[in-house]
Amino acid sequence: KQEVTQIPAALSVPEGENLVLNCSFTDSAIYNLQWFRQDPGKGLTSLLLIQSSQREQTSGRLNASLDKSSGRSTLYIAASQPGDSATYLCAVNFNKFYFGSGTKLNVKP
Amino acid sequence: DAGITQSPRYKITETGRQVTLMCHQTWSHSYMFWYRQDLGHGLRLIYYSAAADITDKGEVPDGYVVSRSKTENFPLTLESATRSQTSVYFCASSDSLAGDGGTQYFGPGTRLTVL
Repeated sequence: KQEVTQIPAALSVPEGENLVLNCSFTDSAIYNLQWFRQDPGKGLTSLLLIQSSQREQTSGRLNASLDKSSGRSTLYIAASQPGDSATYLCAVNFNKFYFGSGTKLNVKP
Repeated sequence: DAGITQSPRYKITETGRQVTLMCHQTWSHSYMFWYRQDLGHGLRLIYYSAAADITDKGEVPDGYVVSRSKTENFPLTLESATRSQTSVYFCASSDSLAGDGGTQYFGPGTRLTVL
């Protein structure tokens, strides 16, 4: 059974800080990896998709990296804002999709 | 409206009843997915479909049935609901499994309570 782990489970930071969220997975044979944001009571919003052949993807203040050999991905959020408060989920595509349990981020004004 | 929609958004039913959750997407995406989200388990794949009339099991398929007669619809049926199927159900779609079309887009979810 494939496993996807996200650390930390929760994170609280003051506004303006740069932060890193981690996602690890048990098998390097992946098709792609996707980062999502989920607000309370809502669906998932796609943030970034990294193909297995890519090392990183960037969108605005977000940067996601992928190291297949070590089974890790990181989501870097620059200059965090209170509006970034949400749960961040990574999903790994091993030909079927497996999600981590998420990191709940709170950015304090 | 373009996008992916789910209905109903909330459903309360009793043990043993049949329940069908609906999912509709307007992008003509080939792939559609059903997930359930539970505290302590995160999101788990129930079933997915690569095209009309092609479906496959995910991680937790027991107790669920799917069909896909049209590309845009992917209903999920609980044939005899159990309390353990109380959950939030999400439908998603994507153009492909790999490559640039691999981004999954999610619906707003259906909160199902089985009494």
